[in-house]
Amino acid sequence: QVQLVESGGGVVQPGRSLRLSCAASGFNFDSYEIHWVRQAPGKGLEWVAVISYAGTNEYYADSVKGRFTISRDSSRNTLYLQMNSLRAEDTAVYYCARESDWSLDYWGQGTLVTVSS
Amino acid sequence: EIVLTQSPATLSLSPGERATLSCRASQSVSSYLVWYQQKPGQAPRLLIYDASNRATGIPARFSGSGSGTDFTLTISSLEPEDFAVYYCQQRSNWLITFGQGTRLEIK
Repeated sequence: QVQLVESGGGVVQPGRSLRLSCAASGFNFDSYEIHWVRQAPGKGLEWVAVISYAGTNEYYADSVKGRFTISRDSSRNTLYLQMNSLRAEDTAVYYCARESDWSLDYWGQGTLVTVSS
Repeated sequence: EIVLTQSPATLSLSPGERATLSCRASQSVSSYLVWYQQKPGQAPRLLIYDASNRATGIPARFSGSGSGTDFTLTISSLEPEDFAVYYCQQRSNWLITFGQGTRLEIK
């Protein structure tokens, strides 16, 4: 069955970096765009970034552009989100999600990132 | 950027009642509108894609309609497990936006 499992979250000080991972299984990883979506505590969903199935195109929300980098490793079936210059407002649960037919049909369970001194 | 506005923010109904949730787009998204359900502590769950197609395993009491800028999610007869937060979503030019959500609560 399709599974997406995030890891790498934790508590980090403002200005520092963190890398999230999303391990995929149960489907052909190389055939799908994958997104990162986040949700601040008690708030709604915010789209963060997407990477094309071949890894040749990346797009970001304005709120993270220039600070976050999405990448994928097809040999490991893993998606990454490198987060630099973290701010308090980046505190959220981060989900990876697979795209199919313009929708996000499978989601991971999420990993919590807390930016605090 | 296309903005999605959901209404109402909160909807209070009883089990067995009909729920009607609205999502309005700031410009046409054709039929590329998606609905999700999210329960506390869980990831969102895909309900409806392409405005009116139920995702795999979604009960028939959930239906979606609309095109262009105005969309509706209808739950024909509420079950206890349907009380949750519902989000609409669109994708254009690679970018995704979500509505702010409608909280469906037990009256």
